[in-house]
Amino acid sequence: GAVVSQHPSRVICKSGTSVKIECRSLDFQATTMFWYRQFPKKSLMLMATSNEGSKATYEQGVEKDKFLINHASLTLSTLTVTSAHPEDSSFYICSAPAGGDTQYFGPGTRLTVL
Amino acid sequence: AQSVTQPDIHITVSEGASLELRCNYSYGATPYLFWYVQSPGQGLQLLLKYFSGDTLVQGIKGFEAEFKRSQSSFNLRKPSVHWSDAAEYFCAVGAGGVDYKLSFGAGTTVTVRA
Repeated sequence: GAVVSQHPSRVICKSGTSVKIECRSLDFQATTMFWYRQFPKKSLMLMATSNEGSKATYEQGVEKDKFLINHASLTLSTLTVTSAHPEDSSFYICSAPAGGDTQYFGPGTRLTVL
Repeated sequence: AQSVTQPDIHITVSEGASLELRCNYSYGATPYLFWYVQSPGQGLQLLLKYFSGDTLVQGIKGFEAEFKRSQSSFNLRKPSVHWSDAAEYFCAVGAGGVDYKLSFGAGTTVTVRA
């Protein structure tokens, strides 16, 4: 099956700093990737669609200036949480479609903002 | 708009017993339906999917699901659970095709007792 990786798996940062999370499709190319946020004991909330070669599409209520997305290549999308605050602490998961109509998910990144 | 309801927040089942997780969806056309499993602190793993054809689909780890259009349901079953099946289970619906966006249910936590 298709493999999606994320780096780092865990990150702790101070309030006010920026954090970059990478999402890579290891054995396939993805012109589209998705970023989700998951709160404890909660479902996944789609934040944005990352598009290779064009701007990301953000879901309603998601601050695009706070969550910067760059789809640098057909195998890499990055999410940068700018000026992070404790309320940004969460589990961030990316996904990419492969093999037609099926999403494959990364292992997630646990962000803790102190 | 598409949506998914998982009525059971938490299910406890004895090892070796059968398991059924409920999923009801709302979608205007033929849905693309998925079940994912998430172990603690991990990303999502695809268990099975339904696009068309046979309404009873087989997945990995001995899971199966049945699509019932008349009931707008896609329930997940396993005849005999193992302790390793303890996890969070998510049902998701999508439009398919080039639109890969998924809507997730709130998830069902499965606890397996010895």
